Amino acid sequence: DQQVKQNSPSLSVQEGRISILNCDYTNSMFDYFLWYKKYPAEGPTFLISISSIKDKNEDGRFTVFLNKSAKHLSLHIVPSQPGDSAVYFCAASASNYGQNFVFGPGTRLSVLP
Amino acid sequence: DAGVIQSPRHEVTEMGQEVTLRCKPISGHNSLFWYRQTMMRGLELLIYFNNNVPIDDSGMPEDRFSAKMPNASFSTLKIQPSEPRDSAVYFCASTFSGQTVSKNIQYFGAGTRLSVL
Repeated sequence: DQQVKQNSPSLSVQEGRISILNCDYTNSMFDYFLWYKKYPAEGPTFLISISSIKDKNEDGRFTVFLNKSAKHLSLHIVPSQPGDSAVYFCAASASNYGQNFVFGPGTRLSVLP
Repeated sequence: DAGVIQSPRHEVTEMGQEVTLRCKPISGHNSLFWYRQTMMRGLELLIYFNNNVPIDDSGMPEDRFSAKMPNASFSTLKIQPSEPRDSAVYFCASTFSGQTVSKNIQYFGAGTRLSVL
């Protein structure tokens, strides 16, 4: 049973518009969340993170929102650029899990020029 | 600054053969992770080491899989015997885990694409 879910396997967005990628989790012990981005033939690279003591974290065009009561987080990319086309993984961890991250299955984002 | 280095990048082998995947973590990192990526299950954690000691191997699928970390700069993931269902991309990642419980970013290698025929 997946503890971290990304229910949209793929998403297409027009260049310049907003991309919203969603992630849901089931384990209430999770207290730290990350987004990783992966290009073909490369390993995932860290994008942005958020601790459960916050509900929003922003880094340039990327903003992550956390709704703890709904066990939901989302990644907003504004404005979307063709170079953002990649697979995005949501990951979660808990303080008592050591350094373990649990990854979602990923969402493939395509930004159309 | 060299990142996590994995070898080989691609491996094609026949069912029943032994396969060894290699990983060199980032210098100074003390935690190392092996993941497997498949279309069906996404990124799954197989095993992770802290200070060269296996901490959690609950993700290792079965006894055919084994992993070692003989020193801080090298780890191997071995599959013996290999089966077609082991075909996947295998990633290694490393991080530095300090004394406090802090969420350190994991840095991934480029992966090894394994095809078992």
